[in-house]
Amino acid sequence: TQLLEQSPQFLSIQEGENLTVYCNSSSVFSSLQWYRQEPGEGPVLLVTVVTGGEVKKLKRLTFQFGDARKDSSLHITAAQPGDTGLYLCAGGNTPLVFGKGTRLSVIA
Amino acid sequence: DAMVIQNPRYQVTQFGKPVTLSCSQTLNHNVMYWYQQKSSQAPKLLFHYYDKDFNNEADTPDNFQSRRPNTSFCFLDIRSPGLGDAAMYLCATSTPWGQGFKAFFGQGTRLTVV
Repeated sequence: TQLLEQSPQFLSIQEGENLTVYCNSSSVFSSLQWYRQEPGEGPVLLVTVVTGGEVKKLKRLTFQFGDARKDSSLHITAAQPGDTGLYLCAGGNTPLVFGKGTRLSVIA
Repeated sequence: DAMVIQNPRYQVTQFGKPVTLSCSQTLNHNVMYWYQQKSSQAPKLLFHYYDKDFNNEADTPDNFQSRRPNTSFCFLDIRSPGLGDAAMYLCATSTPWGQGFKAFFGQGTRLTVV
């Protein structure tokens, strides 16, 4: 099973700040997914990135897939308390296996 | 409408008493997954099915088994639950890996072992 490393593991910021979380691996992936999970719920798929260098935007969230398809980043602009949750990346040529996640807390 | 449905949402079982968790899907996806998620951790893959082809992760305990009688349903059986098996159990479905990949999760079953 290919390993995905996420950083930071925990992040606590004030409302309105920007942040970036990272998902890295030594392996090449055909695609990567980002999910957000709220307490007591299952993860919800935010985006799938497929092409090296690809950038996708979802409102205030910007996702980027590295040129070599080994890493990805998620940037949130002007974070809001509603962005609080566990952000998970998943990918690989094997079935859906997650990184350890980044737990984000946005304080009003 | 919910597309991946897990029942029950909350399950309390006694130590050592077999328990079955269920999952159904309306998406007709080929792939179904079971994950275990403990507090403050990421979901850990236990098994997945590609159609009827069953795949067991190497570190999934023998105490955990699964059945997929048809495309729509998948079950997780815990033969002798221990206190360490208390967790959220997540079911997911997906299209085959590749272009247009889509995955959906159920809301999970929170298992308590007493």
